[in-house]
Amino acid sequence: KAGVTQTPRYLIKTRGQQVTLSCSPISGHRSVSWYQQTPGQGLQFLFEYFSETQRNKGNFPGRFSGRQFSNSRSEMNVSTLELGDSALYLCASSLGTSGGQDTQYFGPGTRLTVL
Amino acid sequence: GENVEQHPSTLSVQEGDSAVIKCTYSDSASNYFPWYKQELGKGPQLIIDIRSNVGEKKDQRIAVTLNKTAKHFSLHITETQPEDSAVYFCAASIYQKVTFGTGTKLQVIP
Repeated sequence: KAGVTQTPRYLIKTRGQQVTLSCSPISGHRSVSWYQQTPGQGLQFLFEYFSETQRNKGNFPGRFSGRQFSNSRSEMNVSTLELGDSALYLCASSLGTSGGQDTQYFGPGTRLTVL
Repeated sequence: GENVEQHPSTLSVQEGDSAVIKCTYSDSASNYFPWYKQELGKGPQLIIDIRSNVGEKKDQRIAVTLNKTAKHFSLHITETQPEDSAVYFCAASIYQKVTFGTGTKLQVIP
């Protein structure tokens, strides 16, 4: 079974631009979660989508948004990029149906650099 | 919200020795505790997990213990090998909202 895939793997943007990242979950998984990983803040939860609905949200500003499609693929968008948005963005998928006790499988991440 | 503390931040052991990483969590509603290993340039990989109705779980050289009363859980790696060198993260989950610890960089010295 194919793992979680994320595209692109690397991105370079300038301040003020916007960016869209894509995540394809493992086949059959309906939950997709997004995380930001930085050396200073570690792994931080952005949001989780299940069956095209945002089910959980972390403490990030509204510039960070996402969506999920009917095939469970998900996109994350960051508008008006800031230097501090430079990070590894990770996507994780799971079945999403075990009351929060699902195993999450991570993709390789998208490395975003904001200049 | 949930807060997860992880110690130590770095850990060096000789090959063949044991390594122990400890985590505490704050929200008693957390019911799922996964451990992840992250190698350079890769996403985190699940190595073991434990659910709140279980006190201990073992998988070959890796074991995890959970003390719900004290709100802490630990990862034990026995007979460490150089390929165990990586960053390890603990996490606590409430209804699919996962909070990670700050990570432990484990170095196994051959």
